Amino acid sequence: DTEVTQTPKHLVMGMTNKKSLKCEQHMGHRAMYWYKQKAKKPPELMFVYSYEKLSINESVPSRFSPECPNSSLLNLHLHALQPEDSALYLCASSQVSTGAYQETQYFGPGTRLLVL
Amino acid sequence: AQTVTQSQPEMSVQEAETVTLSCTYDTSESNYYLFWYKQPPSRQMILVIRQEAYKQQNATENRFSVNFQKAAKSFSLKISDSQLGDTAMYFCAFMMLIGGGADGLTFGKGTHLIIQP
Repeated sequence: DTEVTQTPKHLVMGMTNKKSLKCEQHMGHRAMYWYKQKAKKPPELMFVYSYEKLSINESVPSRFSPECPNSSLLNLHLHALQPEDSALYLCASSQVSTGAYQETQYFGPGTRLLVL
Repeated sequence: AQTVTQSQPEMSVQEAETVTLSCTYDTSESNYYLFWYKQPPSRQMILVIRQEAYKQQNATENRFSVNFQKAAKSFSLKISDSQLGDTAMYFCAFMMLIGGGADGLTFGKGTHLIIQP
């Protein structure tokens, strides 16, 4: 089973709203990722959580805030977004064995976000 | 930093034909993985095939195979007996290996493959 689930599938929010995206996997993977994908562009890495330690793409604005409550769950908190933040947000996970290399990243179906 | 280049923005072939998508990459690392992902109109990102850089043998998955040339930093995808369901955006991706850690994928710009009936 290589399933990564994401909720909600679609989200429309205003620039003053606060919302959260949720990602979950039950494959025992120890690394989870957030990517942002604009239309007709490749995904761009935003954040990596590996063994609950966060790595940040420094170009990501602070209005995006990741949270990893446990190794199976990854949230992305959104606050004061701009219309240019409208995109598909993809979550992925991969197995990481201690002392070994990470394996393949498996993606969820994504959340389509529209900021008005 | 790694870069991935896909020089074919769009390709179109007839059903049942064989098609090859090209990908080149640049890195100073010696340990890495290369991937081809498929993204159909649903936008679900689906793994097609994976190649470990330390393996000389080219990876194959049913109708999909790669031609991995490490010295030339080339990683092309061959799709045999193409089917209508193969219509999608195909992304070549690079991942560095970090012992005990994790790194993100670096994607090429993608090739839009259209299979004509």
